[in-house]
Amino acid sequence: GEDVEQSLFLSVREGDSSVINCTYTDSSSTYLYWYKQEPGAGLQLLTYIFSNMDMKQDQRLTVLLNKKDKHLSLRIADTQTGDSAIYFCAEIGSNTGKLIFGQGTTLQVKP
Amino acid sequence: DVKVTQSSRYLVKRTGEKVFLECVQDMDHENMFWYRQDPGLGLRLIYFSYDVKMKEKGDIPEGYSVSREKKERFSLILESASTNQTSMYLCASSSEGVGLKSSYEQYFGPGTRLTVT
Repeated sequence: GEDVEQSLFLSVREGDSSVINCTYTDSSSTYLYWYKQEPGAGLQLLTYIFSNMDMKQDQRLTVLLNKKDKHLSLRIADTQTGDSAIYFCAEIGSNTGKLIFGQGTTLQVKP
Repeated sequence: DVKVTQSSRYLVKRTGEKVFLECVQDMDHENMFWYRQDPGLGLRLIYFSYDVKMKEKGDIPEGYSVSREKKERFSLILESASTNQTSMYLCASSSEGVGLKSSYEQYFGPGTRLTVT
């Protein structure tokens, strides 16, 4: 079946790099996404990667995709207190065409 | 600017009440979605719609129904609210894909936190 797994919590110091990891089961997924949810707000698309790519960089964000291990990661360089949020990994289920979300990783940034 | 609005940010209802959650998008999107968000469970799809008057069950439709009479509005209905429906409800919309392939970039509303007592 289609499933996405994330660890629930990550704590880093301001200025450090953060790495949020995600594993998924559907090897036929075409797109994989990272969404950010700030406190009291809805989800906002942060970045996405197409399944034929290994890496995508966008300013402080780097997405790495290991298709063999079905592993996706989001690296945030020079993490700021404003990066404190819940980060959701999601894939497009090839059977259903629906977005399948992970449980969300709460990122806490300490000053 | 893309905008999805939800009728209430916080709602408190009693067990057995009929509850309406409204969602409006101003982007002329064909596809709209209702999710519930619970700690440790992520987002779970309740219902979605890829056209006016069309609806499809998501992963957890039991206890819910939906209505899409106009393209911009998608309503979630709890026919008889129960305490296990206490949750954060998120509405989303998207423009790409049709039917089952309607999940590409989704825009989310701010959420309605519903408490059923």
